[in-house]
Amino acid sequence: DQQVKQNSPSLSVQEGRISILNCDYTNSMFDYFLWYKKYPAEGPTFLISISSIKDKNEDGRFTVFLNKSAKHLSLHIVPSQPGDSAVYFCAASARGAQKLVFGQGTRLTINP
Amino acid sequence: DTEVTQTPKHLVMGMTNKKSLKCEQHMGHRAMYWYKQKAKKPPELMFVYSYEKLSINESVPSRFSPECPNSSLLNLHLHALQPEDSALYLCASSQGADRGLRNIQYFGAGTRLSVL
Repeated sequence: DQQVKQNSPSLSVQEGRISILNCDYTNSMFDYFLWYKKYPAEGPTFLISISSIKDKNEDGRFTVFLNKSAKHLSLHIVPSQPGDSAVYFCAASARGAQKLVFGQGTRLTINP
Repeated sequence: DTEVTQTPKHLVMGMTNKKSLKCEQHMGHRAMYWYKQKAKKPPELMFVYSYEKLSINESVPSRFSPECPNSSLLNLHLHALQPEDSALYLCASSQGADRGLRNIQYFGAGTRLSVL
């Protein structure tokens, strides 16, 4: 049972345009959500997070939106740059839980 | 500074060898984690240490043995591994979600393990 789903295995976006990565979850106990970026042969790098008491969090070019009623979150990257090409993982946790539940990842490719 | 350091970066071992992976953080984090990641898959949790005590073991085979000598160090001892254990092994640390803190985990670069 996949509690966190990233339904798009890959996404291709032109440089300078907006990249939108999506994530859905099923567990109502999740109240904190994170996005990680991963280059090949490296560990995941924390990008941005959002608490369930908010519906938006912004950090530079990265914005995460949370729709609790739809159990859906998205990561917007604008403008997209070649260095953004990587695999992006969505993750979720419940209050007090030590485990992060990861989605399967979306490979983002930024084309010049 | 959000650095988690893992050594070695690469490791090749035979099925009869004994080796250890090491992880170190100096962020004052009280929770440390071992993950296994296969190609094109998300990280898969193996162990969690909270305040230097093992709090989660995700039914990992006994050929993997974790150790937390102190709050900054985490080891993973390997013995009699199988070829299917070849993977990227990731260490992470966080402030510790079980004290009401948010569980932002910071990952090391990983050890690429090949078992022959």
